[in-house]
Amino acid sequence: SQKIEQNSEALNIQEGKTATLTCNYTNYSPAYLQWYRQDPGRGPVFLLLIRENEKEKRKERLKVTFDTTLKQSLFHITASQPADSATYLCALEDMRFGAGTRLTVKP
Amino acid sequence: EAEVAQSPRYKITEKSQAVAFWCDPISGHATLYWYRQILGQGPELLVQFQDESVVDDSQLPKDRFSAERLKGVDSTLKIQPAELGDSAMYLCASSSLAGVNNEQFFGPGTRLTVL
Repeated sequence: SQKIEQNSEALNIQEGKTATLTCNYTNYSPAYLQWYRQDPGRGPVFLLLIRENEKEKRKERLKVTFDTTLKQSLFHITASQPADSATYLCALEDMRFGAGTRLTVKP
Repeated sequence: EAEVAQSPRYKITEKSQAVAFWCDPISGHATLYWYRQILGQGPELLVQFQDESVVDDSQLPKDRFSAERLKGVDSTLKIQPAELGDSAMYLCASSSLAGVNNEQFFGPGTRLTVL
């Protein structure tokens, strides 16, 4: 059966550094992959979508890559800020979500 | 800005009781989703509607859960009887077929506690 995994439960980094989060999937070939942000007690908020024919997508300080050979997407936040602290979720086109990575950016 | 509405925000019930959650999607969104999210996990899709029709309910525990979207607008998710393991956040989301990013817009969720 298909599986979607995010690299770690929690990631702690210093303000100003780049955060890199990983999403791996198996037994599936999605046409696209999405990234969402979720704050405690709230619903997820859409950030970016990357399609299978796109290697990279950027939005302000966010960058997403998609490697269909490795079955992996990387999500980067550059010049991270404490306000970026949240849980980040990846989702495949069939609406299956990973467990999320909780990012904490320390001042 | 248009938002997905859910009610109630919080619900405490005893096991074996019936509970119901309501969702009003963004106007014009044909697709509606119900998810269950256990603390520390990602959202798990329970049911997906396209207008009033169920597209996917493969993960819905049909012995106790039911969902409907009678007029293709708002939707109700029901649990009867509730069990201790049903304690979770229940999220509703909607999306538009015309959306470029196929993004889902989530409501604030209903936090269910079963005692």
